[in-house]
This record gives sequence, C-alpha cells and structure tokens, in this order.
Amino acid sequence: DVKVTQSSRYLVKRTGEKVFLECVQDMDHENMFWYRQDPGLGLRLIYFSYDVKMKEKGDIPEGYSVSREKKERFSLILESASTNQTSMYLCASSDRYEQYFGPGTRLTVT
Amino acid sequence: DAKTTQPTSMDCAEGRAANLPCNHSTISGNEYVYWYRQIHSQGPQYIIHGLKNNETNEMASLIITEDRKSSTLILPHATLRDTAVYYCIVRDSGYSTLTFGKGTMLLVSP
Repeated sequence: DVKVTQSSRYLVKRTGEKVFLECVQDMDHENMFWYRQDPGLGLRLIYFSYDVKMKEKGDIPEGYSVSREKKERFSLILESASTNQTSMYLCASSDRYEQYFGPGTRLTVT
Repeated sequence: DAKTTQPTSMDCAEGRAANLPCNHSTISGNEYVYWYRQIHSQGPQYIIHGLKNNETNEMASLIITEDRKSSTLILPHATLRDTAVYYCIVRDSGYSTLTFGKGTMLLVSP
C-alpha cells in the first residue's frame, strides 16, 4: 500500500516563527502536492512538485515556500507564521491517475 | 469557476445503495471524472475514476452518461463507515492537479 506520512498530526506555533511541515512518501512517486483545508473553502493547492528540486505555485502560494531535495520528501515552509495560516495541511503524492493523501497536520498559530 | 456541481448533502440508510450525482456539463474530451471521499479528520481517499465507460471496483461503481455531462457514484451497500464528504472532480489525464469543490456530505444512518 502507498503510504504518505506527515511529520506531525498537531502543531502549535507562535506568530513569526518559522515552521517546517514534512511529508514523506514511499512509492517512488515523482509528483507531490501540498494543500490546505479550511471550513467552507475546501481544499486549496499551495504548491506542487513534479520532480526533485522542481516546484510550481498552486492557487495560494503566498506566505509559503517548499523544498524538494529528495524524491520521497516534500517540505512546506512557513517563513514567518501568521494567525491566518492556522489550518489543516494535507500532503499528497501521485502516480499517473491517483493522488494519495497523508493524514494531515492541524497547525494552530497563536 | 466550479467544473462540477454536487448536492450539498444526502442521507442513506445503512445497507441500502447510495447514489451520489454529479453534473459536469463543461467536461472536455480528454478529461476524466474522479471521485474522492474524506472521512472526518482524515486525508481524502481515492475511490474511482472513469473517462467514458462505466467503471466498478471493490469500493464503488461509476456510471457516466453517454454525453458525459453527468455521472453517478454508487456505493452498493452503504455502511456507517461510508459517512463522509464525497468529491466529484474533473481533471485531464496525466499528472494534473486536483481541484476540490465543496462535495456532498453523505450521512449513512442505522
């Protein structure tokens, strides 16, 4: 079975902190994605990557950056966390047809 | 712009078939219809996808109309664990990103 793991299920950070969210997949997929999910807004794509060291902006990249140094790992970085970045963050990896999602990280910025 | 239209919510009795409709009247020839679901506090889970023909797997069946402007996801014998938000998504083939709408909240009750 494909497994996508995320470093934390719950995270609490202070405003202004630098935050790293890590995602690892074990199926040798080239494509990886970061979404955030908020009530009433659904899932929104932040960034995605089609290959190592390659990244593309999604619909809401502002305030975020990403890093893909190894194929299996895709990191989401909040350079200076703000309260409006409190959300559920979901990582996914995909083969040609299916996207496989991790369990999510619920981030609270206080 | 939303590419799909789904009812906000539906109810189903346990053991009965759940039929979830989706309208995608602007679908283009190379676009697939995908279904995902999200159980509370978990990441989305792939269910099934199709292009023109009806599809069936161990989880569900997908019926696509001949003009491809609408489809129906069928859970043949719904259980309480099928209570979730179901997303109908249109995307082209390959590695394109998924755009999630609001989905249908399916409540399966005893």
